[in-house]
Amino acid sequence: SQTIHQWPATLVQPVGSPLSLECTVEGTSNPNLYWYRQAAGRGLQLLFYSVGIGQISSEVPQNLSASRPQDRQFILSSKKLLLSDSGFYLCAWSVKGSKNIQYFGAGTRLSVL
Amino acid sequence: RKEVEQDPGPFNVPEGATVAFNCTYSNSASQSFFWYRQDCRKEPKLLMSVYSSGNEDGRFTAQLNRASQYISLLIRDSKLSDSATYLCVVNIKQTGANNLFFGTGTRLTVIP
Repeated sequence: SQTIHQWPATLVQPVGSPLSLECTVEGTSNPNLYWYRQAAGRGLQLLFYSVGIGQISSEVPQNLSASRPQDRQFILSSKKLLLSDSGFYLCAWSVKGSKNIQYFGAGTRLSVL
Repeated sequence: RKEVEQDPGPFNVPEGATVAFNCTYSNSASQSFFWYRQDCRKEPKLLMSVYSSGNEDGRFTAQLNRASQYISLLIRDSKLSDSATYLCVVNIKQTGANNLFFGTGTRLTVIP
């Protein structure tokens, strides 16, 4: 069966520090991969998606970047965090050519202080 | 205009009650529809897909009205464990992408 791993679960970082969140998927190949952010009391906002290695699409201009160095690995990064980067970051995967049902990792709760 | 609109609630209902959530979507090109459930401080999890003919999964019934661009979820015989936020989700195929759009969720609390 397929599983998705995200780490760390919780992160507290000072303003201006770098960020690296990692997500890996097991039990499937060539998935679509996604990064979302959920601010407190808000809906999920799609940040990036990837249909393959090295292929990244950005949905909103921001202080973040994403990379997909391997088929089942998706990384979210920032060189310098802002206070507004605080939130709940969720990675998700879906099967290509399907109804696009997405399955989420457990998420990383980021607090920028 | 938001792609998906939901009543945020909260809905506070007693155990055993029937409760219904509604959702509207703005893009007529929307292709597939879902309800996800999100527990407090957890990730969203797929509850059920929504089909034009309506579909049922145990105590849960989902309906889709494409003409009105309206989706509903009915929960019968509410359990304490049903307390969660229910997200209405729409899949829209756009140029080069096939993305999900999430409502902000409807919060349900089932009271003993």
